[in-house]
Amino acid sequence: DVVLTQSPLALPVTLGQPASISCRSSQSLVYSDGYIYLSWFQQRPGQSPRRLIYQISNRDSGVPDRFSGSGSGTEFTLKISRVEAEDVGVYYCMQQTRWPYTFGQGTKLEIK
Amino acid sequence: EAQLVESGGGLVQPGGSLRLSCEVSGITFENYWMSWVRQAPGKGLEWVANIREDGREINYVDSVRGRFTVSRDNTKNSLYLQMNSLRADDTAMYYCATTFGPGYWGQGTLVSVSS
Repeated sequence: DVVLTQSPLALPVTLGQPASISCRSSQSLVYSDGYIYLSWFQQRPGQSPRRLIYQISNRDSGVPDRFSGSGSGTEFTLKISRVEAEDVGVYYCMQQTRWPYTFGQGTKLEIK
Repeated sequence: EAQLVESGGGLVQPGGSLRLSCEVSGITFENYWMSWVRQAPGKGLEWVANIREDGREINYVDSVRGRFTVSRDNTKNSLYLQMNSLRADDTAMYYCATTFGPGYWGQGTLVSVSS
């Protein structure tokens, strides 16, 4: 199975400051069609997961533009340009290139 | 707007069975691969199974293969998960979600396996 390793696992951030989460894959995530199916999810406390980013860098509808995704090969990054209070929660990367689809362990973002 | 509503969770003894349902509205259900994803209490996410639009291709994670069966009824806009031989480590919130395209998720239904 593809293992996704996130870092850091805990991320204390001051309001208004940037934040960055890394996701490293144990295998190439390039699918046979040439695309990389790597997504990022946000899970706020007590809520179901919400997808923020798909195919590395495409924002889902309604996602603020302070969220951005980047990366290639086996290294991917989620960045928040200016953290707001509503961004508190756990962030997961997820791959849909190879079955079984897998998630990273999660990164818990909190406000300092 | 898409709505996915799961039901059927509850408390069951080890070795028992449950059938989860997910009723979908607001999208053309028959055009979407669908999935079940679970989350054990305080833990991360695990993709359990997915099913093609026409139901003729299905994938399971190893930990549930042979015990869980996913199905769908496109005439009822509904997705199902039949869970047999349940174990304590199947205790989790179970979410239904679209597999590809727009990332629609339900609010989940809680399954607890305990004696």
